[in-house]
Amino acid sequence: EAQVTQNPRYLITVTGKKLTVTCSQNMNHEYMSWYRQDPGLGLRQIYYSMNVEVTDKGDVPEGYKVSRKEKRNFPLILESPSPNQTSLYFCASSLGVTNEQFFGPGTRLTVL
Amino acid sequence: GESVGLHLPTLSVQEGDNSIINCAYSNSASDYFIWYKQESGKGPQFIIDIRSNMDKRQGQRVTVLLNKTVKHLSLQIAATQPGDSAVYFCAENRGGTALIFGKGTTLSVSS
Repeated sequence: EAQVTQNPRYLITVTGKKLTVTCSQNMNHEYMSWYRQDPGLGLRQIYYSMNVEVTDKGDVPEGYKVSRKEKRNFPLILESPSPNQTSLYFCASSLGVTNEQFFGPGTRLTVL
Repeated sequence: GESVGLHLPTLSVQEGDNSIINCAYSNSASDYFIWYKQESGKGPQFIIDIRSNMDKRQGQRVTVLLNKTVKHLSLQIAATQPGDSAVYFCAENRGGTALIFGKGTTLSVSS
């Protein structure tokens, strides 16, 4: 089944404790992206990747890092999480930026 | 700043009615537009897309209209059903490398 998977689905952590949210797709997509979704603000792009080893900042990259060492994986790293990073995070992938993006199920992160 | 917006944050319709969800964009260089549906507790799901060389595109029960003159995009849902209740997002690509999403319209369908 073609899909985007994210782990964990739910995470409660404390300020400053490094964490990684994994994202994996099995569709051989080149384009991958991370979004955060907050009430009243819609979806905002954090980082995106056009292909392996090619990543770039989205609209709200502060406090986040990503890597794209393999085509299928695009982890999101929070080196020192803060409470303002409490949010719902989505990973997405597509053949290209002007193609349908497939979204993962989301990761709800709470930083205390 | 936000340049993709929706005219109404909420829309309530009766089952069987046609629904129209609107979206305005400000960048005339945008060349690709897409509508997503997000049900509670799930990730956004693709509905339909349209490229700037088109004015209209139809899918199953959905139609997207693009008016480049006034920078307006709309999603029409025919014979709206309770299962259509969700948040609907429009998004635009400005010929670059990212999709910019609007804030969403919540569609509520009552039977």
